[in-house]
Amino acid sequence: SQQGEEDPQALSIQEGENATMNCSYKTSINNLQWYRQNSGRGLVHLILIRSNEREKHSGRLRVTLDTSKKSSSLLITASRAADTASYFCAIQGGKLIFGQGTELSVKP
Amino acid sequence: DVKVTQSSRYLVKRTGEKVFLECVQDMDHENMFWYRQDPGLGLRLIYFSYDVKMKEKGDIPEGYSVSREKKERFSLILESASTNQTSMYLCASRNTGGGGQPQHFGDGTRLSIL
Repeated sequence: SQQGEEDPQALSIQEGENATMNCSYKTSINNLQWYRQNSGRGLVHLILIRSNEREKHSGRLRVTLDTSKKSSSLLITASRAADTASYFCAIQGGKLIFGQGTELSVKP
Repeated sequence: DVKVTQSSRYLVKRTGEKVFLECVQDMDHENMFWYRQDPGLGLRLIYFSYDVKMKEKGDIPEGYSVSREKKERFSLILESASTNQTSMYLCASRNTGGGGQPQHFGDGTRLSIL
């Protein structure tokens, strides 16, 4: 399968803790993107990291990319209840292909 | 901010009906996409379009067609709805640009076929 595979499938943490989600893939990529989806809504783009980049930050988000291991991670620091959502990685070679997602639950 | 608007949040139709799902974007994006999202299967690409009057099949085009008569509007058509087309449908648009561009999604249409 070309799609990203995410780990864990579900994650439950307390407010203030950090959340780490991982994405592995099998093909070569141009870039890798992370999206968030709140329940019953569309996907919202969070961050895009290109294949020649190793790390990117956006606010409380930190994304790393290791092309030698074909893996990426999304770290959300100091999580909040409002971060509760599903998080998807998407790999772009030609088309953009989405993983199955990680369901994050942040308990107040 | 980019806004992608899908005409209905919820829709209920009957088997055999012809169903139209409409999507409009306000950022003059060249590329538009239709996905369906099902539990355990993730997002699957149905059709996409790189320009007006252009369309390309995605991974699961069977039972669907699309229309793009204007740049801002991309319609998904279920020719004869069936119960296995009950799903969440998501429209997205994207600008053309080097180095990769993000996709911008609408809020989705939850379609039930009875």
